[in-house]
Amino acid sequence: QVQLVQSGAEVKKPGASVKVSCKASGYTFASYTLHWVRQAPGQRLEWMGWINVGDGSTKYSQRFQGRVIITRGTSASTAYLEVSSLRSEDTAVYYCARPQYCSGSSCSNWFDAWGQGTLVTVSS
Amino acid sequence: QSVLTQPPSASGTPGQRVTISCSGSSSNIGGNSVSWYQQLPGTAPKLLIYSNNQRPSGVPDRFSGSKSGTSASLAISGLQSEDETTYYCATWDDSLTGLVFGGGTKLTVL
Repeated sequence: QVQLVQSGAEVKKPGASVKVSCKASGYTFASYTLHWVRQAPGQRLEWMGWINVGDGSTKYSQRFQGRVIITRGTSASTAYLEVSSLRSEDTAVYYCARPQYCSGSSCSNWFDAWGQGTLVTVSS
Repeated sequence: QSVLTQPPSASGTPGQRVTISCSGSSSNIGGNSVSWYQQLPGTAPKLLIYSNNQRPSGVPDRFSGSKSGTSASLAISGLQSEDETTYYCATWDDSLTGLVFGGGTKLTVL
């Protein structure tokens, strides 16, 4: 079955960067985009962006443009989210998620598979 | 403030039918499909409804979705205690060129 397994919790100081990984299994990795969604404590879900794993192209939320980079690994079916210039407001659980379907370059905007989440705490 | 507006809370008694609304605009709900997620505390969201009114396999038919104009709704019939959690709507926004989520509705089963 489809599985997304994320890296463990991180504690970072303000101004630092963090890189979270998401390892996929149970499907053809290159055939789907992979999205990142975050959730600050007690807050709503917030979409950050996606990567087309097949060709490496990316699309970011305007809110995070310039501060977030989504990449794919060269092997091992893994995608990465890097957030730079961290501030306390970036304390959140970060999720990777896979669309329910992708057909060529067209993918659904809803997700039927999610990682377990990675808590990133930003604190001095 | 969320682009999609949901009531922060809703409630019902066991067996009752409850509806959760999601209000948007022409740039999001008005022109795109709506999905709904159920999120239990400390866990990742679970897809409940996609394409406005479609249920993934394994989701009970007690859950249904609808859309009209720039609003969407999630209905839960035959309310059960395990339905007590938070629900989010989501859709694509053409102006923001990104996916947007509602603020979430916490459902209480009295």
